[in-house]
Amino acid sequence: DTGVSQDPRHKITKRGQNVTFRCDPISEHNRLYWYRQTLGQGPEFLTYFQNEAQLEKSRLLSDRFSAERPKGSFSTLEIQRTEQGDSAMYLCASSLAPRTGSGNTIYFGEGSWLTVV
Amino acid sequence: RKEVEQDPGPFNVPEGATVAFNCTYSNSASQSFFWYRQDCRKEPKLLMSVYSSGNEDGRFTAQLNRASQYISLLIRDSKLSDSATYLCVVNMGFMNYGGSQGNLIFGKGTKLSVKP
Repeated sequence: DTGVSQDPRHKITKRGQNVTFRCDPISEHNRLYWYRQTLGQGPEFLTYFQNEAQLEKSRLLSDRFSAERPKGSFSTLEIQRTEQGDSAMYLCASSLAPRTGSGNTIYFGEGSWLTVV
Repeated sequence: RKEVEQDPGPFNVPEGATVAFNCTYSNSASQSFFWYRQDCRKEPKLLMSVYSSGNEDGRFTAQLNRASQYISLLIRDSKLSDSATYLCVVNMGFMNYGGSQGNLIFGKGTKLSVKP
């Protein structure tokens, strides 16, 4: 399977613990995105990278959240001191940066489900 | 006001029915528009892009009205397999240019249930 892959798919953690999610994008894609989705809501943008540069961050990305993409390939999203409100599905997506005459379809991974108890 | 608003539904329709979903967006500077489909506990998948002139893909037709900041999706001859949540999505970046805006802005989604 050459799609976007995320790991772990499910994580249950105690409040206050740190968790880290990993995303491997489609290999030729230079853009990588993180979104969060809670029940009954659409996905909410958190941040995105073009290659290794973090180009945009949402206000939703509090100080407890940090994302990295050190070599411009895979990315990690770390949540420190988790809170119950962090329980959600964390979606990673990737795309090519748009070029003239071509679209930039964004492909999502299957998501990482976080439950904070 | 939410950036992208949709009727959450659910829309319960019989097989073969025609169903229409509407969506409004608040930022007039939005440049590209999409409909995504999301099955229960799965990731969103692109259904179709929405062009200013309107576009059709099989049983699906999408329309955009920039003046009213309104997007629609029409599904004809609905199938059981069309049951899903349909997400209206806008992007500040140009679809076909090196736009600097990366994030997609999603509505909450409209749930469709097609019954036999």
